[in-house]
Amino acid sequence: QVHLQESGPGLVKPSQTLSLTCTVSGDSITSGDFFWSWIRQHPGKGLEWIGYIYYSGTTFYNPSLQSRVTISMEASKNQFSLNLSSVTAADTAVYYCARDTITTNLAFHHWGQGTLVTVSS
Amino acid sequence: IVMTQSPGTLSVSPGERATLSCRASQSVSSDLAWYQQKPGQAPRLLIYGASTRATGIPARFSGSGSGTEFTLTISSLQSEDFAIYYCQQYNNWPTFGQGTKVDSK
Repeated sequence: QVHLQESGPGLVKPSQTLSLTCTVSGDSITSGDFFWSWIRQHPGKGLEWIGYIYYSGTTFYNPSLQSRVTISMEASKNQFSLNLSSVTAADTAVYYCARDTITTNLAFHHWGQGTLVTVSS
Repeated sequence: IVMTQSPGTLSVSPGERATLSCRASQSVSSDLAWYQQKPGQAPRLLIYGASTRATGIPARFSGSGSGTEFTLTISSLQSEDFAIYYCQQYNNWPTFGQGTKVDSK
């Protein structure tokens, strides 16, 4: 059973960089045809896909966030990470990491529990 | 691709049928998923490929549609089905609808 767990600071100051890590168990992030994504949800709002890293290391980002987002992986730790630079209060959200289904790319079958990140001074 | 869900809130009694709609601003073929989210929880995949139930999803959940118009039907609503439901397209970079809240009538 695939398990994903987000970790990182719950409070980030404006203009700084938000950094989160997703630790994966029950699967290897470098094996198989999977996309490893970050998705966020503003308080009381809907879901916004941030971007993915493919098992091969290829990345793709939401065009609205592309200039501020970097997703990377550390295969030896079976982790992938999100960096979001120059944050503002509008980046306050619950951040999820997720993996797609075996048969269908970018339909998100496995999710972490989510971590709330607040941007405030 | 903009996804628009209707209605915003659907009030249903247990045992009744619930029908939720999702419209895409352009064709997404059958690249459409539905999720259920309860308070404080991550979304749960219900349907992908517009009509394929994910593993472990009860048969009372069904999806239909293609192109720009999609429907999620809950044939006989159970108490545990009160939640917010999101559609999501993955034909292009993923985008989600704004959600439909299913609550008790």
